[in-house]
Amino acid sequence: NAGVTQTPKFRILKIGQSMTLQCTQDMNHNYMYWYRQDPGMGLKLIYYSVGAGITDKGEVPNGYNVSRSTTEDFPLRLELAAPSQTSVYFCASSYSPDIHPLHFGNGTRLTVT
Amino acid sequence: AQKITQTQPGMFVQEKEAVTLDCTYDTSDQSYGLFWYKQPSSGEMIFLIYQGSYDEQNATEGRYSLNFQKARKSANLVISASQLGDSAMYFCASRKGAQKLVFGQGTRLTINP
Repeated sequence: NAGVTQTPKFRILKIGQSMTLQCTQDMNHNYMYWYRQDPGMGLKLIYYSVGAGITDKGEVPNGYNVSRSTTEDFPLRLELAAPSQTSVYFCASSYSPDIHPLHFGNGTRLTVT
Repeated sequence: AQKITQTQPGMFVQEKEAVTLDCTYDTSDQSYGLFWYKQPSSGEMIFLIYQGSYDEQNATEGRYSLNFQKARKSANLVISASQLGDSAMYFCASRKGAQKLVFGQGTRLTINP
């Protein structure tokens, strides 16, 4: 099983550029999440989705956008990249987050210079 | 707002000793779940153990157990017979609101040979 797949693994952006972080899962999970992890810190929720066509903001949504057109895919869009967005980004999915654990992708390390 | 607190930024333990990682949470929900994740230096997030608020017994998974004290709002992770491979960051997390997971800041555990 592939689980949660994130691409790319690494990316360097210049200030003001845009990019899309891809996330796909093959477990038919309705719940999907994007987190960011700054060095030495915990994970902060950017956006989440409870099903296709439904998304909502997390703790730190500014500078990001998401869409959820299918159950499998949950891309994260960065517009006008800023140095403050330098971080490791994790996508995760879950059958039901109440009692089921999140399945994480391997992360995307993004540097904005 | 729900908050997870991990008060130990770093822990150093001798191999084969048991170690307890602290986690306290603040929630007004009656029903909630608590999770522990491990993040080795390679960066991936690995689910370790889950405790439901209505579970009568403390959760156990192999060498991992959860010391759940509901009245004190604490959910400490106990690792028995520590191994060098246990060296990693450990995160406590809890469900917040409808479906979102909130993470603590993490504890870096180092196992010394």
